[in-house]
This record gives sequence, C-alpha cells and structure tokens, in this order.
Amino acid sequence: RKEVEQDPGPFNVPEGATVAFNCTYSNSASQSFFWYRQDCRKEPKLLMSVYSSGNEDGRFTAQLNRASQYISLLIRDSKLSDSATYLCVVNRSPGGGNKLTFGTGTQLKVEL
Amino acid sequence: SAVISQKPSRDICQRGTSLTIQCQVDSQVTMMFWYRQQPGQSLTLIATANQGSEATYESGFVIDKFPISRPNLTFSTLTVSNMSPEDSSIYLCSVGGGFDYGYTFGSGTRLTVV
Repeated sequence: RKEVEQDPGPFNVPEGATVAFNCTYSNSASQSFFWYRQDCRKEPKLLMSVYSSGNEDGRFTAQLNRASQYISLLIRDSKLSDSATYLCVVNRSPGGGNKLTFGTGTQLKVEL
Repeated sequence: SAVISQKPSRDICQRGTSLTIQCQVDSQVTMMFWYRQQPGQSLTLIATANQGSEATYESGFVIDKFPISRPNLTFSTLTVSNMSPEDSSIYLCSVGGGFDYGYTFGSGTRLTVV
C-alpha cells in the first residue's frame, strides 16, 4: 500500500463547478499535511496547509480526518486557471525525520 | 518563504557522464532536500542535506550515484554520476519552512540522458 494515495483523475469539470479531491495516508504517526499545486513542467507550489479543525482560503477548503486518515480539498467556483495537478503531501512526525511524502497527484481540468 | 535559485534548468547529457545541479537559497536553512520526479510520477525524496555532515539518503539512493555537497547554510549541490537513460528525470531541491509550514521548491532541473 502506498503511503499517500490519491485518485489520479483526470477530473474534467465545467467552469464554476465545485470539485472535491480525497487523499488517504497510511502512517498514523503523520503530523502535518499539505496540498500542493503543480502546473505542467513546473515545480510544486504550496496551496495550503491542512489543519485538524479544517481551514479555508478563498474558494479552497481543506479538511483532515485523523481517525480515518484522509485529507480532502474542496474547490468552489472552479476557474480555468485552477487546471493543474493537485498533490496531497504528508509530513511524518519529527521523530520520523521531518520528511515529506507525496501522493501521485490528482489532475484537474476546468473547461469552458 | 525562502527563494531558491536552481540551475541548470535543463540539460541533455551523454550516458556515462555526470551532471552537478546547484541550489542557492536567499536565507540560511538547516536542512535542504533533494527530490526526483520521473516522467508521470510524483516526487521521491533522494536525500536530506545538512550543513557540516554527510547527507542522509533514502532507500534506493546511494552516495556514489548521487553525491551531495552542503558547504554552507545557503547552498547545496547534487551530482548525478555515471548517468544512464534511466536517470532522465526532473531533479528538485527544497527547503522547509518549519514542521507545520510548507516547503519551497526550486524550479527544477530537467535532465535528459541520451
């Protein structure tokens, strides 16, 4: 089983739609969680951290369920510019060496 | 967040040769990380580079193949040695903003081995 699993997609959605991605992780000792965005042929860029209480940044909402070991990202009112690959990223506990583990990414295509 | 300058941005190399990739950070950082992203894949950690000590390599990666230097708190190099076509990949360096904060990546080096 992979440490971090995501549905690779692609998710093809019309502009203005709401889309949700889920991610599961296997290491229960994981402590911090992130969503990254990677555009084609570019480096990953931090979209948002994910906190236990859930957090929102504009059209983006991230949630964490520690009991079920899954993380979600909700994008409302999708824009064409949201088209990218979204990477679920987990950081092991400090005792585990402070290392990021990346999911394989979920591809989103927002269409007119 | 830190700003990272990574070079070269791309290169095409002959098999059997070596390529050294450089990353310069605009602030002092304790740890720097080197990743590989093979075509169609996600990122895989190669090693963690600490200043003043040998790099710590992940399973499947060895120092002879990927020697790393970390001469100071703002700079690191990764060398891909004795290259083969299987080493064709994007190589990225990264620094962390603290355990609960996101990590910043260099713009990557796109390596093609022919």
